[in-house]
Amino acid sequence: KAGVTQTPRYLIKTRGQQVTLSCSPISGHRSVSWYQQTPGQGLQFLFEYFSETQRNKGNFPGRFSGRQFSNSRSEMNVSTLELGDSALYLCASSLEGGEGTQYFGPGTRLLVL
Amino acid sequence: TQLLEQSPQFLSIQEGENLTVYCNSSSVFSSLQWYRQEPGEGPVLLVTVVTGGEVKKLKRLTFQFGDARKDSSLHITAAQPGDTGLYLCGIAGRGSNYKLTFGKGTLLTVNP
Repeated sequence: KAGVTQTPRYLIKTRGQQVTLSCSPISGHRSVSWYQQTPGQGLQFLFEYFSETQRNKGNFPGRFSGRQFSNSRSEMNVSTLELGDSALYLCASSLEGGEGTQYFGPGTRLLVL
Repeated sequence: TQLLEQSPQFLSIQEGENLTVYCNSSSVFSSLQWYRQEPGEGPVLLVTVVTGGEVKKLKRLTFQFGDARKDSSLHITAAQPGDTGLYLCGIAGRGSNYKLTFGKGTLLTVNP
C-alpha cells in the first residue's frame, strides 16, 4: 500500500502571499490531520478532517484553513503568510481517526521570506 | 506550559553506547505513544504503552510506562547510527477532542 503523500515537498513564498498544500492519505483512510512543526514550538496540531468535515481544530488563527474531498484527499491553505509560518507541515492519515494509529507523510517544508 | 516535557533535548553519543530519554507530565494518561522522525521524513509510530508499569521491547529499544501513567522512558541499548533521529512522545485525546499532542522531542545523534 502506498503511504501518505504530500505535495509539494518544498515551497518558498513571500510575506502576504497565500499557499495551498496537498495531502493524499493511505487508500481507505478517512481521517486526515494536519500538523505544523517548528524548532521552537515542536509539533502542533492544526486540524482534523473526517468525511469532508472538520472534526477538531487546534489553536491557530483563521488564516489557516483546510478542506477534505470526497476521495479523502485534503488540502491546507494559509493566507496572508507571515515569516513565522515558515515550518514543516505534516499530514497524517488514519482509518477512522480517534485513537487509531496515524501514519504521517514526509511533510511540506515552507519557507516564507 | 508543555503538557509533555521531554529530556534531554539533545543527545550526541558514540555507536555502541546505551542511552535513556524521558517523557514526563503532571497529568495522568490512558496511553502514550513514542515516535521516531528521521531527517526529511514524518514521524513513525514505534510503540503505544497503555498499562501503568508496562514494559515493551522493540529489538534494542525498551519502552516503559510509569506506574502512575504520568511518565515514560525509552532506553536504547548499543546505539547504532541508524538510531539517529528525533524521538517524540505523544498522547491522543479522547472522544470528540481527538488530536495528538507531542512533546518537543529528543534529538539523538549516534556517531560512528
